[in-house]
Amino acid sequence: QVHLMESGGGVVQPGGSLRLSCAVSGFTFSTFDMHWVRQAPGKGLEWVACIRNDGSNKYYVDSVKGRFTISRDNSRNTLFLQMNSLTVEDTAVYYCAKDRLSVASLDYWGQGTLVTVSS
Amino acid sequence: AIQMTQSPSSLSASVGDRVTITCRASQFIRNDLGWYQQKPGTAPKLLIYSASTLQRGVPSRFSGSGSGTDFTLTISSLQPEDFATYYCLQDYIYPWTFGQGTKVEI
Repeated sequence: QVHLMESGGGVVQPGGSLRLSCAVSGFTFSTFDMHWVRQAPGKGLEWVACIRNDGSNKYYVDSVKGRFTISRDNSRNTLFLQMNSLTVEDTAVYYCAKDRLSVASLDYWGQGTLVTVSS
Repeated sequence: AIQMTQSPSSLSASVGDRVTITCRASQFIRNDLGWYQQKPGTAPKLLIYSASTLQRGVPSRFSGSGSGTDFTLTISSLQPEDFATYYCLQDYIYPWTFGQGTKVEI
């Protein structure tokens, strides 16, 4: 059974940093690309970042480039999102999501972790 | 980045109604589009990928169509559990982009 669980969310001041983790089980983690998607309170979904299965390529939405870094540890079945220079606009629930193998789409999601950037 | 314009932003419908939601891409995206359903306080759920392929376990009353720039999600007979917000997502090119969502209300 596929399972994704995010952790690491919390309250942080503007300009601060936070590292999110996503622990997965139930599938061969090293085979699949992985993503982060966020949702600001009361707003729609925003795709944030993707990392290839072997970590060879990473992609970001423009608004987080240079501030966020996606990474993974395939030996620990864990996905990460290092978030630096946080602003109030980064306040959101952050979801990790698994990509399908042959056709891109997000077929499994975690329950999300809330990041609040506030002074 | 490709912009995804979804319409309507909200709609009111009754159980048994046929519901159609559209999504338009600002440029060609082949058929690289998915539809997601989200209920309050929960993670999104994949309904359809590659514009028209039903995800395993999703009821057949959901269907998708379109290619290029114009896409449609149809619910043939709305059920009580279908009241939710629906999003399209283009996965043709990075950065992937979502539509702004369509809230389906009673």
